[in-house]
Amino acid sequence: SQTIHQWPATLVQPVGSPLSLECTVEGTSNPNLYWYRQAAGRGLQLLFYSVGIGQISSEVPQNLSASRPQDRQFILSSKKLLLSDSGFYLCAWSVLTSNYGYTFGSGTRLTVV
Amino acid sequence: DQQVKQNSPSLSVQEGRISILNCDYTNSMFDYFLWYKKYPAEGPTFLISISSIKDKNEDGRFTVFLNKSAKHLSLHIVPSQPGDSAVYFCAASAREGGTASKLTFGTGTRLQVTL
Repeated sequence: SQTIHQWPATLVQPVGSPLSLECTVEGTSNPNLYWYRQAAGRGLQLLFYSVGIGQISSEVPQNLSASRPQDRQFILSSKKLLLSDSGFYLCAWSVLTSNYGYTFGSGTRLTVV
Repeated sequence: DQQVKQNSPSLSVQEGRISILNCDYTNSMFDYFLWYKKYPAEGPTFLISISSIKDKNEDGRFTVFLNKSAKHLSLHIVPSQPGDSAVYFCAASAREGGTASKLTFGTGTRLQVTL
């Protein structure tokens, strides 16, 4: 069966520090991968998506970047965090024929202080 | 530009009654709609979906209705149970070139089912 792992679950980082969030998927090949953010009082905002290794599309200009070094690994990074980067970050995957949309990871609560 | 809108940020319903969550969209290219349920500190989980070729889809206590002319869909939960208390997200997608496309989410509605 397919599973998605996302870590860490919570993270508190000072302003200006780097960030690396990792997401891995098991039990499927060549998935589409996504990073979403849920900011306080707001919906789910798509940040990045990837349809293959090394292929990254950015949805909104921001202080973050994403990489996909392996087929089932998706990484969200920042060189210098801002206060506005605080939020709940979600990784998700999907396959072309799925009628269930995305499967989400359990999320990472990032607080920038 | 919010293409998927959930205008009610919160809803309170008594246990046993019907919960109706609404969602409006603006992009006429959307052809697939989904509802997700999210508990605090967890990722959203898929609840129910509907294709644009249908106007109703039912799964147990959950029914989704789609009104394409009004660009409106709704989720009905009957009867509502305390465990249904969560944030519900409406999502929509438009297939591009036959491939799965990005999901656009609404801002969510927090449902509270009271005893």
